[in-house]
Amino acid sequence: TQLLEQSPQFLSIQEGENLTVYCNSSSVFSSLQWYRQEPGEGPVLLVTVVTGGEVKKLKRLTFQFGDARKDSSLHITAAQPGDTGLYLCAGVKIIQGAQKLVFGQGTRLTINP
Amino acid sequence: DVKVTQSSRYLVKRTGEKVFLECVQDMDHENMFWYRQDPGLGLRLIYFSYDVKMKEKGDIPEGYSVSREKKERFSLILESASTNQTSMYLCASSLPARWADTQYFGPGTRLTVL
Repeated sequence: TQLLEQSPQFLSIQEGENLTVYCNSSSVFSSLQWYRQEPGEGPVLLVTVVTGGEVKKLKRLTFQFGDARKDSSLHITAAQPGDTGLYLCAGVKIIQGAQKLVFGQGTRLTINP
Repeated sequence: DVKVTQSSRYLVKRTGEKVFLECVQDMDHENMFWYRQDPGLGLRLIYFSYDVKMKEKGDIPEGYSVSREKKERFSLILESASTNQTSMYLCASSLPARWADTQYFGPGTRLTVL
């Protein structure tokens, strides 16, 4: 059962355009994380959002956590070829003191020069 | 910097073989995780360990077992490899949730079972 639905799964746009990736769930999470993965490497954490309604910015990337802590979005402004990669959202649940991550399917983003 | 290393980047095995995937972290993290990553499915948790000799099943433990004899090392074992276990396997480590929320991932092992 996929608890986190991420959309779109593939996105190819031109340099300079804006885009939004969505992550939706029927479950409530203690927090939600966004990762980026380059080919041949493991995912790397970009941001964690914790509070319902929270907005965090990382240069041209804006992350938002839904008020009910069930959904999130990633918005990229003026996309650059260096933004190309696989973006993953992950809901966080705490089990036995460890963070258990529930991942979305991923969005493979390609920014064309 | 945290470093998580995995024993092989690429591995090819035959159906029925016993397969060991090794993961080592150098940051004294209590928690370690094994995921598999498949296109369109994201990462799915196989097993995790929150202490030496402790293990918990994740979402898809069937066909896998794990071993954690030392804090820095977490092994994933495929007792009898099958073709549907062909996948990318990722190991991760972290501090306990009360201290930090970041999982650090290794580069992955791409396993092909023929």
